[in-house]
Amino acid sequence: AQSVTQPDIHITVSEGASLELRCNYSYGATPYLFWYVQSPGQGLQLLLKYFSGDTLVQGIKGFEAEFKRSQSSFNLRKPSVHWSDAAEYFCAVSRLTGGGNKLTFGTGTQLKVEL
Amino acid sequence: SAVISQKPSRDICQRGTSLTIQCQVDSQVTMMFWYRQQPGQSLTLIATANQGSEATYESGFVIDKFPISRPNLTFSTLTVSNMSPEDSSIYLCSVVTGSGGGQPQHFGDGTRLSIL
Repeated sequence: AQSVTQPDIHITVSEGASLELRCNYSYGATPYLFWYVQSPGQGLQLLLKYFSGDTLVQGIKGFEAEFKRSQSSFNLRKPSVHWSDAAEYFCAVSRLTGGGNKLTFGTGTQLKVEL
Repeated sequence: SAVISQKPSRDICQRGTSLTIQCQVDSQVTMMFWYRQQPGQSLTLIATANQGSEATYESGFVIDKFPISRPNLTFSTLTVSNMSPEDSSIYLCSVVTGSGGGQPQHFGDGTRLSIL
C-alpha cells in the first residue's frame, strides 16, 4: 500500500525567505503526486501535480516541486515566501484502481510566516 | 476546473441526530469522493460516490453510518448518522473532471461539523 510522509509538522519562515517542504512517498509503481494547500476555513486547493516527464513542475502562486525517484521525494519549494502563504500544505499520492484515482495524503505541514 | 459547492458550510448538531451534506458541481464529473478531516489531522477517504449505484466504502467506514447518494453526474450527498462527538470533523467532497490516470481531484470548501 502506498504512503506519504511529511516529516515537518510545523515550519516557520520569515517573509521573503525561501521555503522547502519535504514529502517522501512509498509506492510500488510510478506515482502520481500532488501538493495541495488549505488556508484556514477553506477546502483544499491544488498547487501542482506530477504525472510524468520533466521532474521539475511549476504550480500556481510561484510554487514548484521536484520529483526525485532515487530519493522517493517530491519536495515543494518557493524562492520567496509571502505572508499570505501561511497555511497547511498536504502532499498526496494517487493510486489508480478499478474505482478510479484514490488519494493518500500526508499528515500535512503547517506553515507560519513571520513578518 | 469545476466549481464545487458544499452545503451547509458548518453546523452544530446534537448527539444522536443525523445531518445530510450536499455537494453540487457546476459540470458533469467522472468521479466524486467524500473525505473526513478530523481536528488537526489529515484527510481520510470515506467512500467513492458512484452514480446510480451504491458507494464504495473504505476500510473503517460503513454505509449505515455514512449513507451516500449520487443520483446524477453533478450531485452527491453524504449523511452522517446517529452522530456522536467523535464525528466532529470537516467533511469534504472532491471531484475528478477528466478521464485517464492521475487526474487531480478538486475539493469543495468543506462542511465543518461540531457535535454537542
